[in-house]
Amino acid sequence: EEQLVESGGGLVQPGGSLRLSCADSGFTFSGFWMNWFRQAPGKGLEWVANIKKDGSEQYYADSVKGRFTISRDNAKKSLYLQMNSLRAEDTAVYYCARRYYYGSGRYSFDYWGQGTLVTVSS
Amino acid sequence: AIQMTQSPSSLSASVGDRVTITCRASQGIRNDLGWYQQKPGKAPKVLIYSASNLQAGVPSRFSGSGSGTDFTLTISSLQPEDFATYYCVQDNNYPFTFGPGTKVDFK
Repeated sequence: EEQLVESGGGLVQPGGSLRLSCADSGFTFSGFWMNWFRQAPGKGLEWVANIKKDGSEQYYADSVKGRFTISRDNAKKSLYLQMNSLRAEDTAVYYCARRYYYGSGRYSFDYWGQGTLVTVSS
Repeated sequence: AIQMTQSPSSLSASVGDRVTITCRASQGIRNDLGWYQQKPGKAPKVLIYSASNLQAGVPSRFSGSGSGTDFTLTISSLQPEDFATYYCVQDNNYPFTFGPGTKVDFK
C-alpha cells in the first residue's frame, strides 16, 4: 500500500528558506501527479502546488508563486517543496498527496502524508 | 480563481440523523468536485470523487450529487465516527480551491 511520509518542517525566520520532502514507500510513485497542500493552524485546507508525473509541468497557488518550487525525483520516489522568502502567513502543516486517475476524467487525492509543520517566526 | 462556498459552516446533529452539506462553485466546474473528511490532527480522507463516486472502502451512507455549480454531500445516518470537518474541493481549474469546511459536531 502507498505510504507518503513528509519531512523537513521546522521553525524558520521570516525571509528564510526551507525544503520539504515527501517519500513514497510504495512502488508506483512515477505514475502519478503529486501535490502539496497546507493548513494554517485552525484554518481550512489550501492547495499549494502540483507536478506532472515526469516533472515537466508544475502549477502553483498565487499565494506561493515565485517563492516556492515543487520538484520530484522518481528514481528516489520523492517529492520536494523548496520554500523561499518565507512569511508568517506560510505557517502551516504541509501535506503531500497523490492525485489518482480513475479514468474518464475522474480524479481524487487518494493518499496523503501525515503532514509536517512549518513555523515562520522570529 | 474559482471560489467555493459551503453551507452550513457548522452543524450539530445526533447519531442516526440525516445530514446534508452543500457546496457551490463561483463558475461551472462540470463534476470535478471531491468531498474530504478531516478529523483533528489527521490528514484529509477522500469520501467522494467526481461529485458522486464513492471512494473504495467508504461506507455507503455517504453519497454525493450535483454538477455544474451546485453540489451536495449527504450522510444518510450519522455515525459516531462521522463527527469531523468536511471539505469540498474543485479540481476543474487551476488553482484548485477548497470550500471553507463544515464542522459536524454532537448536538
